[in-house]
Amino acid sequence: EVQLVQSGAEVKKPGESLKISCKGSGYSFTSYWIGWVRQMPGKGLEWMGIIYPGDSDTRYSPSFQGQVTISADKSISTAYLQWSSLKASDTAMYYCARRTTVHPNDAFDIWGQGTMVTVSS
Amino acid sequence: EIVLTQSPDFQSVTPKEKVTITCRASQSIGSSLHWYQQKPDQSPKLLIKYASQSFSGVPSRFSGSGSGTDFTLTINSLEAEDAATYYCHQSSSLPETFGQGTKVEIK
Repeated sequence: EVQLVQSGAEVKKPGESLKISCKGSGYSFTSYWIGWVRQMPGKGLEWMGIIYPGDSDTRYSPSFQGQVTISADKSISTAYLQWSSLKASDTAMYYCARRTTVHPNDAFDIWGQGTMVTVSS
Repeated sequence: EIVLTQSPDFQSVTPKEKVTITCRASQSIGSSLHWYQQKPDQSPKLLIKYASQSFSGVPSRFSGSGSGTDFTLTINSLEAEDAATYYCHQSSSLPETFGQGTKVEIK
């Protein structure tokens, strides 16, 4: 079964760092782009960026460039989203999602279950 | 950045009724437009890719059309399980973007 399994919910304080993960299984992890999508409480979906695990080619939305880092470790089929200094406004559900095919512009067909990040003092 | 504007924002519909959701792009995106369904407390699910290609396993009552800047998601004969928020997504150019969502409620 093709799936993406994300790490569990996190509760952090402002200024703390965080790295959440997304582990792929059931397919060739290095061959499909993986994207990250933010959903703030009660709001819509926001495209953050995308990575090609085969060579770590990464693209960011200008809204998130410099605010987060997307990376991948192909040896363990895992993509990451990390913050160096969290803000309260980073409180959201974060989803990873896989492209439907190896085409770089395809839709996302496989989604992780989401990781809820809560940032509060 | 390409802005996707969905309409309506909310729709209350009776079962078996037809639902039409539109997504308008701020510039031409060819057919690189995809539709997702998200139910409360669930991850989004792909319904339609490249404007009109039905994704595997999606009920046939869901269909998509359009190209360029204007796109439509149609749900024929709405069922109670279709209560959800629907999003369009463009992958034509970076940054990719989503529409603001359309919430469909069952009367």
